[in-house]
Amino acid sequence: GEDVEQSLFLSVREGDSSVINCTYTDSSSTYLYWYKQEPGAGLQLLTYIFSNMDMKQDQRLTVLLNKKDKHLSLRIADTQTGDSAIYFCAERLSGNTGKLIFGQGTTLQVKP
Amino acid sequence: EAGVAQSPRYKIIEKRQSVAFWCNPISGHATLYWYQQILGQGPKLLIQFQNNGVVDDSQLPKDRFSAERLKGVDSTLKIQPAKLEDSAVYLCASSLASNQPQHFGDGTRLSIL
Repeated sequence: GEDVEQSLFLSVREGDSSVINCTYTDSSSTYLYWYKQEPGAGLQLLTYIFSNMDMKQDQRLTVLLNKKDKHLSLRIADTQTGDSAIYFCAERLSGNTGKLIFGQGTTLQVKP
Repeated sequence: EAGVAQSPRYKIIEKRQSVAFWCNPISGHATLYWYQQILGQGPKLLIQFQNNGVVDDSQLPKDRFSAERLKGVDSTLKIQPAKLEDSAVYLCASSLASNQPQHFGDGTRLSIL
């Protein structure tokens, strides 16, 4: 079935690196996404990776994809207090609808 | 570029009342999505439009929820009658096409008393 799992909470100190992990079940997923949600706001697209890639880097963000294990991670370098938010992993299923399946979100707490 | 606009931001109603939400997608985006996000969970797709046609409404509780996108631009989502379990944030998203990244509005937070 379609399922995306994330750990619920991560706490880091300002300046450290954060690694948020995600596992998914649909091996035919085409794209995998990371969204950020701040309190009272919608979801902000951070980055995404095509399923035939292993890694994508975008400034402080690094996405790693292990397709064999269906494991996705988001690394945030030099984490800042402004990075405190809920981070959602999502997989886009194969087919034409573009339907996204979201995980339950990981709350990142950055301590000064 | 203006983002996805949604209104109202907040709505409080009593159970069995009706409510409507409005969404204006990013200009030129053909695909529009409505998601329900219950507290502590990720968003779940309710309905997807491609222009003014429905692509996927398999998760929409059709006995009480309805949605339309008559002219292929703005969309409304209606709940009638509302139940307590409908308390959630209703998010609208749009994309250039169904295979392009989705961009979200700030959502409407619905509380049912």
